[in-house]
Amino acid sequence: EAQVTQNPRYLITVTGKKLTVTCSQNMNHEYMSWYRQDPGLGLRQIYYSMNVEVTDKGDVPEGYKVSRKEKRNFPLILESPSPNQTSLYFCASSSPFGGYVNEQFFGPGTRLTVL
Amino acid sequence: GESVGLHLPTLSVQEGDNSIINCAYSNSASDYFIWYKQESGKGPQFIIDIRSNMDKRQGQRVTVLLNKTVKHLSLQIAATQPGDSAVYFCAETLNDMRFGAGTRLTVKP
Repeated sequence: EAQVTQNPRYLITVTGKKLTVTCSQNMNHEYMSWYRQDPGLGLRQIYYSMNVEVTDKGDVPEGYKVSRKEKRNFPLILESPSPNQTSLYFCASSSPFGGYVNEQFFGPGTRLTVL
Repeated sequence: GESVGLHLPTLSVQEGDNSIINCAYSNSASDYFIWYKQESGKGPQFIIDIRSNMDKRQGQRVTVLLNKTVKHLSLQIAATQPGDSAVYFCAETLNDMRFGAGTRLTVKP
């Protein structure tokens, strides 16, 4: 089954404790991205990757890191989480069409709470 | 900067009626638009898309209209059903994809 998986689905942590949220897709998509979703603000892009070893900042990259060492995986790293990073996080992947981002397939989400 | 916005944050309709969800976009160079549906506890799901060289596209019970003159996008859902209750997002794409804040559709029985 074609899908995007994220782990963990739920995480409660404390300020300053490094964490990683994993994302994996089995559709051989070149494009992957991370979003955070907050009430009233919709989906805001954190980082995206057009292909292996190519990553770029989205709209809200501060406090986050990513890596794209393999095509299928795109982990999101919070080196020193803070309470304002409490949010619902989505990973997505896509196969660009004509050089442009196409329909994105989303993972189930990771609800993160930073105390 | 450029942004994608929605006219109404909530919409309530009777089961069986048609629903219209609107979206305004700012970037006249945007090339591709998508409507997503997000049910509670799930990630957004693709509904329908439209490219900038089209004015209208129809799917099963859904129609997307694009008015490039006023930079407006709408999603029409025919014969709305309880299973259509969700948050609907429009997204615009040029080099990247930008999402609106979403409209919550509630279907009353």
